[in-house]
Amino acid sequence: AQTVTQSQPEMSVQEAETVTLSCTYDTSESNYYLFWYKQPPSRQMILVIRQEAYKQQNATENRFSVNFQKAAKSFSLKISDSQLGDTAMYFCAFLSIKNDYKLSFGAGTTVTVRA
Amino acid sequence: EAEVAQSPRYKITEKSQAVAFWCDPISGHATLYWYRQILGQGPELLVQFQDESVVDDSQLPKDRFSAERLKGVDSTLKIQPAELGDSAMYLCASAAGPLTYEQYFGPGTRLTVT
Repeated sequence: AQTVTQSQPEMSVQEAETVTLSCTYDTSESNYYLFWYKQPPSRQMILVIRQEAYKQQNATENRFSVNFQKAAKSFSLKISDSQLGDTAMYFCAFLSIKNDYKLSFGAGTTVTVRA
Repeated sequence: EAEVAQSPRYKITEKSQAVAFWCDPISGHATLYWYRQILGQGPELLVQFQDESVVDDSQLPKDRFSAERLKGVDSTLKIQPAELGDSAMYLCASAAGPLTYEQYFGPGTRLTVT
């Protein structure tokens, strides 16, 4: 399994401000997918954003954007204009194409948005 | 919108007892996954099904865990006997096929072993 590291266990942000979550990974593969998943309290995990490794352009989904640095094996998530509903655990995940599309997750970052 | 269903949502059991979790994937999804998420960690794959067949159970502790998907639709994960270290969230996910990147997760079953 690939190693995915999220070095920030918890982050707190004021409503309407911006927060950036960091993620690094270790792989020898050249083509793969990276994801950020959101797991709200007592609710199911949902996909926030995905990045295909062969695409240089950073993915964006509304208020969520990523900074994908392939050479550095870094994949950070920026949440702009934070809303109370963004409060959740966020997981960075690596999908190995070579290994039958298996997902490897980081340990997660708990994001709390303050009113 | 179609969702992955899991039951029960919460389960408390005593050490050495048997426990079972149920998952109903999104209709038409051929691939089903069971993950274990220990508090403070990310999910780890336990078993992957393609239709009714096990594709990967390399991380499943087979001395006490079993999983089945008899008709290739819903699935059951069983633990017998439960141990204190089994306390965790058990997540089920489904995907349209084995080589699709998007997995859809259920709400999970939180197991507490006392």
